[in-house]
Amino acid sequence: DSGVTQTPKHLITATGQRVTLRCSPRSGDLSVYWYQQSLDQGLQFLIQYYNGEERAKGNILERFSAQQFPDLHSELNLSSLELGDSALYFCASRAGGGSGFYGYTFGSGTRLTVV
Amino acid sequence: AQTVTQSQPEMSVQEAETVTLSCTYDTSENNYYLFWYKQPPSRQMILVIRQEAYKQQNATENRFSVNFQKAAKSFSLKISDSQLGDTAMYFCAFMKGGDSNYQLIWGAGTKLIIKP
Repeated sequence: DSGVTQTPKHLITATGQRVTLRCSPRSGDLSVYWYQQSLDQGLQFLIQYYNGEERAKGNILERFSAQQFPDLHSELNLSSLELGDSALYFCASRAGGGSGFYGYTFGSGTRLTVV
Repeated sequence: AQTVTQSQPEMSVQEAETVTLSCTYDTSENNYYLFWYKQPPSRQMILVIRQEAYKQQNATENRFSVNFQKAAKSFSLKISDSQLGDTAMYFCAFMKGGDSNYQLIWGAGTKLIIKP
């Protein structure tokens, strides 16, 4: 268990619909990073939150939005879904390990299939 | 802007062989971190190894080791005695020290196939 929890694990929905992906970061960390990974592709950074505030934005479509709540869980909202939005969506938070930076701990991802 | 390049889209080796995955990066920073992540068919992202730029000693984790060449901006991953379970996508990542957002910059990945 990485300590980062993502739900649901799988989601199948129709084009034009809206879905919400949920993430709880590792205990003790205030940060959440969202990534999109299409089949056999690399990681595309979407957005970062830290303690409820948006910190950085990547290649996130206007149809997508996110927020981080006071309890630090985050939700990624995807609307007007298109076939091309089918992908694995990862959430990550900073890994523990003491002083310095130890990379990210990733959740197991949400596999979104748009049909 | 920092960039990370993995020049080998795909590699395959026989089980028990040694394989080296390449990664180069471009930065003007002196203080930074480098990582290798593994993504097996389960698609879980797993940290393999971490290197701090100020440390000259190459990091090792069991069968995994790196060859960190700071002047050449190269950070290759060596897998010794490869096993079938090493079959995965491998991503190289960079973070500049002092980045308050702790943003990782990712390479495109190398698909490694270990053949029995």
